[in-house]
Parts: sequence; C-alpha cells; structure tokens
Amino acid sequence: EAEVAQSPRYKITEKSQAVAFWCDPISGHATLYWYRQILGQGPELLVQFQDESVVDDSQLPKDRFSAERLKGVDSTLKIQPAELGDSAMYLCASSFSHSRSPYNEQFFGPGTRLTVL
Amino acid sequence: QKEVEQNSGPLSVPEGAIASLNCTYSDRGSQSFFWYRQYSGKSPELIMFIYSNGDKEDGRFTAQLNKASQYVSLLIRDSQPSDSATYLCAVAYSGAGSYQLTFGKGTKLSVIP
Repeated sequence: EAEVAQSPRYKITEKSQAVAFWCDPISGHATLYWYRQILGQGPELLVQFQDESVVDDSQLPKDRFSAERLKGVDSTLKIQPAELGDSAMYLCASSFSHSRSPYNEQFFGPGTRLTVL
Repeated sequence: QKEVEQNSGPLSVPEGAIASLNCTYSDRGSQSFFWYRQYSGKSPELIMFIYSNGDKEDGRFTAQLNKASQYVSLLIRDSQPSDSATYLCAVAYSGAGSYQLTFGKGTKLSVIP
C-alpha cells in the first residue's frame, strides 16, 4: 500500500542547532503539505507545495524555517536555529488532487517528533 | 478567521454503544469536510470525507453534514476498544487560489470494555 515516507522519526537537538526533515509523498501526488502539531492541538499548516512551487507559506516562520521541493517529488523542511518552542510533531501529507480543488483528501506520513533541549 | 470547533472530551462510551462526535465550522462557503483518527503518538489517519448534505456511511462509520447549520458529525456504531483515539475534524478553506485544511483540536474518545 502506498504511503508517505518521512525521516527521521525522532530528532533530539539543542537550541540554536539546525535540523532538517525529509518527506517522500505517495507516488503521483502533486500536492505536498508540511504541518506542525503541538500536543493537544490539531495539525497546523506550515507550507503547501503544488509540484515544485510554493502555494501557501503564510504560516511558515521564515526567519528560521525553510522548505523546498526542488524536483516536485520529495521535500525537505529545515529549521535554523532551533528554539525550545519548536518542539512538536512535524507531519508531511500529500494529496492526488490539485491544490485548487477543495476535494483534496490528504494522507499523512508517520511524522518526525522533534525535541529541542 | 476560519475556525473549526470540537469538544475536547474525553468522551467515554461503553463497548458496543454508538459514539457521536461533533464539529462546527465558521465559513458557510466550505465545501469539503474530513474526519481523521489519531492514536496516541501516531499520525492522523483519514477515515471519512463528506462533501454533500446528508449522511455518508462506511462500515461502522457514518458522517453527517448539515451545511445550513455549519455542523458535521461522525457516528461510530458498535464501538470497540480499538476505536479509542483522538478524532480530528478538518475543513477545507480557500485562500489565495488554493485550498488548505483547518483542523479542530480533536475529541478524545475512550471506549470502555
């Protein structure tokens, strides 16, 4: 069964260090999303890609976060420098539907649990 | 502000009973609605989506949508202990020519054996 792949599954880092997360969407899914989920809250969108283009990054803290999807397939989310408040689950999701469609069932990867010390 | 509201729970039901999970949303123009199940420490899993007013059934799950009341619900029949999880309601909102999901905080369901 096709799945969204993410790595690493867990990451512990010290504040001010750089961290990077990788995501490989389900094959054929052109739309890719990065979310952050804090314990007890729902996922919050950080950035949305349609193929290699950023569609929405309005909630991405651009002073420290960056995201890319250079070839329109896999994607990397980076944090530099990490802060204590960045501790959360970082989730990647993908959808077959175009970003302009409201009928976009999204499928999540297993996530990366980040702990910043 | 595009909001999705859910009771945080916990909602406790005995095994075999019907669990009813509710969600309200703020944008009357919303067109698509999703229910995700999330086990503790795991990622969300899509279990239902509904686009039209009325009921949609899939096995033990029924999603209900009332756009006039801006209300969507999920019924789980014959609840099992394995249904114990947090259920997230998500609504697709449009912005700048694309659609994004806004999630509620989730309702924690406990099915008591």
